[in-house]
Amino acid sequence: GAVVSQHPSWVICKSGTSVKIECRSLDFQATTMFWYRQFPKQSLMLMATSNEGSKATYEQGVEKDKFLINHASLTLSTLTVTSAHPEDSSFYICSANQNPGAGGYTFGSGTRLTVV
Amino acid sequence: DAKTTQPTSMDCAEGRAANLPCNHSTISGNEYVYWYRQIHSQGPQYIIHGLKNNETNEMASLIITEDRKSSTLILPHATLRDTAVYYCIVRVPRNNNNDMRFGAGTRLTVKP
Repeated sequence: GAVVSQHPSWVICKSGTSVKIECRSLDFQATTMFWYRQFPKQSLMLMATSNEGSKATYEQGVEKDKFLINHASLTLSTLTVTSAHPEDSSFYICSANQNPGAGGYTFGSGTRLTVV
Repeated sequence: DAKTTQPTSMDCAEGRAANLPCNHSTISGNEYVYWYRQIHSQGPQYIIHGLKNNETNEMASLIITEDRKSSTLILPHATLRDTAVYYCIVRVPRNNNNDMRFGAGTRLTVKP
């Protein structure tokens, strides 16, 4: 089945630094990938839609200059949290769909970001 | 996409069937019902989806009422590893640029 690999699985960074999270579709091409954020005991919240070769589409309230998304190839999307602060600490998850218009989406295993 | 309503939490005894309900009374004719689950600290896992007919796979069965306003996910023999948050999502599988939005879900606890 379709596999989406996310790296790293966890990261701790200092406040003010930037962190890059990678999302790869391992056995299929994905022109579109999605980035979610999940705070403790809450549901997943869609942050942005990553489009290969074009600009990402951000959800209302998500700062595009803070959460930089790059989708440079059909199998890789990256999310960079710039100038991270403790309130950015969260569980970040990406997803992609191997068969658009058909079955379900495949999700990465998530990245636990802790900003200290 | 249609909104869904699920119970906040449910318990189930190990080995018994877990029946998770979902109401989607405003569902439109071309919207599918999807079920995902999220085990603690992992990414969501696709379980099953359907349009109007009941569906079954190796993980679960999906029962959709005739008027399509509600559905039930059935885990036939729940195990402790089925403890997770289960999400019911109703959406149209459009083109590639089509996101999946999550509600609060049902926290299922399977007890020994």
